[in-house]
This record gives sequence, structure tokens and C-alpha cells, in this order.
Amino acid sequence: AQKITQTQPGMFVQEKEAVTLDCTYDTSDPSYGLFWYKQPSSGEMIFLIYQGSYDQQNATEGRYSLNFQKARKSANLVISASQLGDSAMYFCAMTIGNYGQNFVFGPGTRLSVLP
Amino acid sequence: EPEVTQTPSHQVTQMGQEVILRCVPISNHLYFYWYRQILGQKVEFLVSFYNNEISEKSEIFDDQFSVERPDGSNFTLKIRSTKLEDSAMYFCASNRGGETQYFGPGTRLLVL
Repeated sequence: AQKITQTQPGMFVQEKEAVTLDCTYDTSDPSYGLFWYKQPSSGEMIFLIYQGSYDQQNATEGRYSLNFQKARKSANLVISASQLGDSAMYFCAMTIGNYGQNFVFGPGTRLSVLP
Repeated sequence: EPEVTQTPSHQVTQMGQEVILRCVPISNHLYFYWYRQILGQKVEFLVSFYNNEISEKSEIFDDQFSVERPDGSNFTLKIRSTKLEDSAMYFCASNRGGETQYFGPGTRLLVL
């Protein structure tokens, strides 16, 4: 069964600096997708970025980039130029296979951006 | 931009009562999901639904739970006889297939 590990329960970063949130995963399936979601205190789940297991390039979406190291089974999220509004819980998630597969979520990392 | 909607946003119920949580997935999506998140914990998969039937369910999704797509737009989660430990945020999500799932804003269920 697949598993997601996020070893940082909490992180602090100064405003305008970059921060890396760690995520490692475990699966024996060669086809999988990796996702990051942001959950602010209001509770909704906001999709940030996606990386497919066969993608050659690391995914980027604005200030978010995914540092995908397949051999290490890691999919770290990098947030550049942190903003106060980035303070939230961040969840790494994985799905295997191609269609209609459920997500497995990691335990999350709480990021606090300091002014 | 289309989005997943959920009603109600908050639900308070007595233990043993039935609750129905409602979701309207994005209209051209084919796969629908329910997840729950107990306060302070990670998001857990409950069930996925495709082509009018359950495609996968977790061990959490026992006989107290059921899902239904009663018409072309709604997707519901019913908890037949609620327990205290059912208190959680319940998220509905949908997608067309292999790409990301889009989550609704959640229903916060409190069982007293």
C-alpha cells in the first residue's frame, strides 16, 4: 500500500524567504501522481501543484515548485518569496494508477510565515 | 471558474441521528470522492464513486455510511446512525480521471 511521510510537523520562515516542505512517498506502482494542497485556517483544501511519475521536468506553478527526486522517492514543495498569506497546513498526497484512484495524504506540515 | 460546492457548511447532530451531507461536483467530472478530516489530523479517504457505483472504499466506510447520486448533479454521503467519533470535516472532491481532484469547502460535522 502507498504511504506518504511528512517529517516536519511545523516550520517557520521569514517573510520573503524561500522554504522547502519535505515529502517522501512509498509505492511499488510505477504510475503515480504527487500533489500538494494548502489548507488555511478556514479549512478548505486548495490545490497547489501536481507531478506525475513519468514527468521529466519538475513541476512549477508561480511561486510553488516541486523538487521531484524519483530515486529518493521524494517530492518536496518549495515556496519562494514567502508571504504572510502562505501560513497554513500543507499536505502532500499521492494517487496511483491512472483514473479514479483515491488520494493518500500525509500528516501535513504547519507553515508559519513570520513578518 | 467551476467549483465543487457542499452543503451545509456546518451540521450539529445528536448521536444516533442520521445525517446527509450534500455535494455538487463540477459538472463535467466523472469521479467523485468523500474524505474526512478529524480535527488536527490528516485527511482520510472514505469512498470513490464512478458510473453510479462505488469504485473503492476504505475500512472507515462501514455499513453506517452510504453514498448516492440521486440526480445528475448531487452526490450525497449519508451516515445512518452517527457516533461521537464521526465528528470531523467531510470533504467532497471530483475529477475527470487521472488529474488532480478538486475539493469542496467541506462540511464540519459535530456529533453531540
